[in-house]
Amino acid sequence: AQSVTQLDSHVSVSEGTPVLLRCNYSSSYSPSLFWYVQHPNKGLQLLLKYTSAATLVKGINGFEAEFKKSETSFHLTKPSAHMSDAAEYFCVVTPSSNTGKLIFGQGTTLQVKP
Amino acid sequence: DAGITQSPRHKVTETGTPVTLRCHQTENHRYMYWYRQDPGHGLRLIHYSYGVKDTDKGEVSDGYSVSRSKTEDFLLTLESATSSQTSVYFCATSGQGAGNTIYFGEGSWLTVV
Repeated sequence: AQSVTQLDSHVSVSEGTPVLLRCNYSSSYSPSLFWYVQHPNKGLQLLLKYTSAATLVKGINGFEAEFKKSETSFHLTKPSAHMSDAAEYFCVVTPSSNTGKLIFGQGTTLQVKP
Repeated sequence: DAGITQSPRHKVTETGTPVTLRCHQTENHRYMYWYRQDPGHGLRLIHYSYGVKDTDKGEVSDGYSVSRSKTEDFLLTLESATSSQTSVYFCATSGQGAGNTIYFGEGSWLTVV
C-alpha cells in the first residue's frame, strides 16, 4: 500500500531564511512524487515533480526537492523564504501505473514572518 | 495552467436537496477527478474517470455519483445533500501516462444548511 507522511503540520520561518518541508512516502512501486502549493481560497499549483529521472528536482519559485530512495523521503527546500511563500504545501505520490488514485499528505502550513 | 473550469464556485443549499457540480476542461485530458478538501483530512478522492463513461470510486464515494458523457465534462452529484458534505470540492485532470502532472481547478465551495 502507498502512503505519504508530511512530518510537520506547521512550519514557521523568518523571511530570508531557508525553508524545509519534510515528506516521507511508502510505495510498493516506483512512485512519481509531486509537491503542490495552495494559497488561501485557491486551487493547487504544481511546484515540482519527480518521475524517476534526476533525483534532485528543481521547481518554480526557487523550490527544489531531492528524492532519496534509501530514506523514502522527498523533502522540499528553498534557500530563502519570501512572504509570498506563505501557503499550504502538499506532498503527493502516485503509482507508476497512474491509475489516478493520488495519495496526498495531510499538508504543511508554511508561515513566513517578516 | 490547464483550462479547468468549475461551476458553481460557491453554493449554499438545503439538506436533502440534490446538487450537481460541473467540471469542464479544454486540455483533452483522459483522466478527471473529484476531490473534497476538509480541515485535518487534506484532499480525499471521491470519484475519478479514466475515459468517457468510465468511472471508479475513490475513498469517500458514499453519497456521491458522477457522470462523464464527454471528454471535457465531469459532473459530480450529491444525491441528497447532508451537512457532512459541506466542503470545498476540487476537480482535477491529467493526461495518460505515469507521472503525468495533475492539474486542479479553482474549487467549489459548498455549504449545506
